[in-house]
Amino acid sequence: EVHLLESGGGLEQPGGSLRLSCAASGFTFSNYAMSWVRQAPGKGLEWVSAISGPGGSTYYADSVKGRFTISRDNSKNTLYLQMNTLRAEDTAVYYCAKMAGHPLNTYYMDVWGKGTTVTVSS
Amino acid sequence: QSALTQPPSVSGAPGQRVTISCTGSSSNIGASYDVHWYQQLPGTAPKLLIYGNNNRPSGVPDRFSASKSGTSASLAITGLQAEDEADYYCQSFDSGLSGSGWVFGGGTKLTVL
Repeated sequence: EVHLLESGGGLEQPGGSLRLSCAASGFTFSNYAMSWVRQAPGKGLEWVSAISGPGGSTYYADSVKGRFTISRDNSKNTLYLQMNTLRAEDTAVYYCAKMAGHPLNTYYMDVWGKGTTVTVSS
Repeated sequence: QSALTQPPSVSGAPGQRVTISCTGSSSNIGASYDVHWYQQLPGTAPKLLIYGNNNRPSGVPDRFSASKSGTSASLAITGLQAEDEADYYCQSFDSGLSGSGWVFGGGTKLTVL
């Protein structure tokens, strides 16, 4: 069974940093692009970042470009999101999602984790 | 402001048919990029409902269907059931002037009366 489990969320002050992790199982991790999607309290879904299967290509939403870095360790079947210079508006549940489809502009998220909560507040 | 526009809410009685629209532009749906739909039950993670404009993953009832035309798409739910009460999101790819990436609609809350 395909499974994604996020961790690393918590309370952080504005300007601080957090690193989220997503442990994957049940599929050949390195074969699939992965994404982070977030949902602010009471709001809709917002795509944050994506990375290709081998890890050589990365993509970011304008709202996080230059502050967040996505990466993956295919030997550990784990996806990461390094979040720096955090702002109050980064407060959200962060979901890890497996991407499917081809080519890139047809990608969709076919498996989602349960999410990890990030709160940015002083 | 989402790149894809959905009505904030729709409602219907059990057994009825409801539709949820998703309006985009020439940089996303109108550029012939696929549209996908997700269902988010209260307090849970989103779940893929429709992919590639009108394909249902295994396990999704055929009461759910979708279509796409021009710069818009729509999700239809027939034989409405209480368990369908959820938030629904459309998603596509956008290649606008500020860069490319994946985009979601603002979401539509479905209430089963």
